[in-house]
Parts: sequence; structure tokens; C-alpha cells
Amino acid sequence: DQQVKQNSPSLSVQEGRISILNCDYTNSMFDYFLWYKKYPAEGPTFLISISSIKDKNEDGRFTVFLNKSAKHLSLHIVPSQPGDSAVYFCAASVPGGTSYGKLTFGQGTILTVHP
Amino acid sequence: DSGVTQTPKHLITATGQRVTLRCSPRSGDLSVYWYQQSLDQGLQFLIQYYNGEERAKGNILERFSAQQFPDLHSELNLSSLELGDSALYFCASSVAGTSWNEQFFGPGTRLTVL
Repeated sequence: DQQVKQNSPSLSVQEGRISILNCDYTNSMFDYFLWYKKYPAEGPTFLISISSIKDKNEDGRFTVFLNKSAKHLSLHIVPSQPGDSAVYFCAASVPGGTSYGKLTFGQGTILTVHP
Repeated sequence: DSGVTQTPKHLITATGQRVTLRCSPRSGDLSVYWYQQSLDQGLQFLIQYYNGEERAKGNILERFSAQQFPDLHSELNLSSLELGDSALYFCASSVAGTSWNEQFFGPGTRLTVL
């Protein structure tokens, strides 16, 4: 049961343009969402997060949008740079209970930014 | 560098064997998490410890066990290894054990079972 889905396995973008990575979820109990970036042979690196009480969070070139009614979030990278080329994972968590800090990850989207 | 260290980086072993993976969390972090990333799957949550106590459990096999020691480092023990256990194993840590804390990941241990 894939509760967090990233339906695009890959995305190719020109340097300087916008990259939009999408993520859908099915569990309405999720209340905190995160994006991680992963380079080969390294662990995932935290990028940006958003709680369910917000619909947008911005950090420099990265903005995450949350649409709770559609159970959809997206990560915008503007402008895209070649160094942004990596695998991007969307993750979500439920508040407390027996799941505590457990993160449920999507399958990842490979972003390639061409110079 | 996330501040989370994992050893060893690579591990090659045979079916039926037992291995121990080690993780040191970031300084000040009380919670440790273990995740498995297989070739055809995303990151799967295995188990979480907070200040020495088990806090949450995912789809962790009975052949796998973990613990967090008083100095907060953690070990993941995998026994009776099967070919399908070959994967990347990541450890992550966070300040607290709640759902609103960012988790910081180590570089992972690549386990190959032959």
C-alpha cells in the first residue's frame, strides 16, 4: 500500500528554468511533509518541510506547496541549477501515536538539470 | 555532512550469517531511526528509538533487531541473512522523537548478501 506516491520517475529541466516535483498521498492522517534530496552514495539530505496548517513554505530557491483537499504537494525549484540534479524524495508523517517520528517515503523522482 | 555516522560503509556476507550495523547520531539528538532501501523500493521505515527506548516499529522482520545504548549510539542486528536482505541501510537521527522533527540521515551501509 503506497501511501505516498511520486508518479514521475524522472524530470529533465534546463538550467535557469523552474523544476516542479509532485507528490500525492492517500493517508489523511499525515500532518507533516518533507522533501529530501539524495545524491549517489550519500544519505538523503533534508531540504524543506511543511506542516498541514500551512499551504506554502519557502526557503530560498525552494518552495513547497500543500493542497490538503487534493492530498497533493509539490516542490518548486527556481531557478534550477545543475547542482540540483539528484533524486528527490517526498516524505510524510502522522502525529504521535504508535507511529511517532516514522517517515513514509515516496519512490523518488530523478531530477536532471541540463546546463 | 549530516553529523550522523554509520559503520561499516560496505558489508559483504553470505546467506545464513549475522551482521551488525552501527550508527552514531548527531550530537544532541536523542532519537535514532533505521530505514532500508532495496533496489526496487523506496526508503522503508524499520524502527525508531528514543533515548534508549523503542518508540515505533515498522515492517521490521523478526530476524532483525535493534537497540540504542546509553551513549545514544544504535546498532541494527540482522541474522539468518537471505539474498533479499541485500539493500542500503540508513540510520537517521533527530532532536526529539515526534513527527515534526527533521531527520538527518547518515551515508548508509550497503549490505550485499551472496
